[in-house]
Amino acid sequence: DGGITQSPKYLFRKEGQNVTLSCEQNLNHDAMYWYRQDPGQGLRLIYYSQIVNDFQKGDIAEGYSVSREKKESFPLTVTSAQKNPTAFYLCASSIFLEGEQFFGPGTRLTVL
Amino acid sequence: AQSVTQLDSQVPVFEEAPVELRCNYSSSVSVYLFWYVQYPNQGLQLLLKYLSGSTLVKGINGFEAEFNKSQTSFHLRKPSVHISDTAEYFCAVSSANAGGTSYGKLTFGQGTILTVHP
Repeated sequence: DGGITQSPKYLFRKEGQNVTLSCEQNLNHDAMYWYRQDPGQGLRLIYYSQIVNDFQKGDIAEGYSVSREKKESFPLTVTSAQKNPTAFYLCASSIFLEGEQFFGPGTRLTVL
Repeated sequence: AQSVTQLDSQVPVFEEAPVELRCNYSSSVSVYLFWYVQYPNQGLQLLLKYLSGSTLVKGINGFEAEFNKSQTSFHLRKPSVHISDTAEYFCAVSSANAGGTSYGKLTFGQGTILTVHP
């Protein structure tokens, strides 16, 4: 079955540590996205990528970094510079940059 | 710039009752509109979308929405809800580009939690 996988489902980290969230898709989509979800705030765009080796900042990119070395993969690193990293993180993909988006199951990150 | 406002943060209803979840948007250009559903600790699933054509859009699970350009609204409705409809619902908007062919980046509303009581 085609789809988007995110791992791990739950992630705990200590303050000051970097952590990387995985996102993989086998839908052959060109575009991929990372969103952050906080209660009552909807989804906010962190980074997006239109094509391999290219990515753009979204609305809340500070404290995050990404890479896009393969079409199928778009990992997100939450760095120690991110002031309030505890949140639910969602990865999405679309056929092209501005097409209908399909979402992964999410990763819940908790900073202890 | 575009924005989305979901007018109710929580909507409680009884099973088999009708429900309407309200969504208003603002944009200076033509828009495409979406409703997504999210069950607890899961990703988002597309319920329906408006791209063009008929302003009444039918989606999955018996939901429908009506695009009202003059009122800049895209309210989601279901005539009879089930316990299994309990979830959070998100309205999203994207703007057509100059060529009118692509969706544009999605802007989401804050979400409406629908709780269906027996």
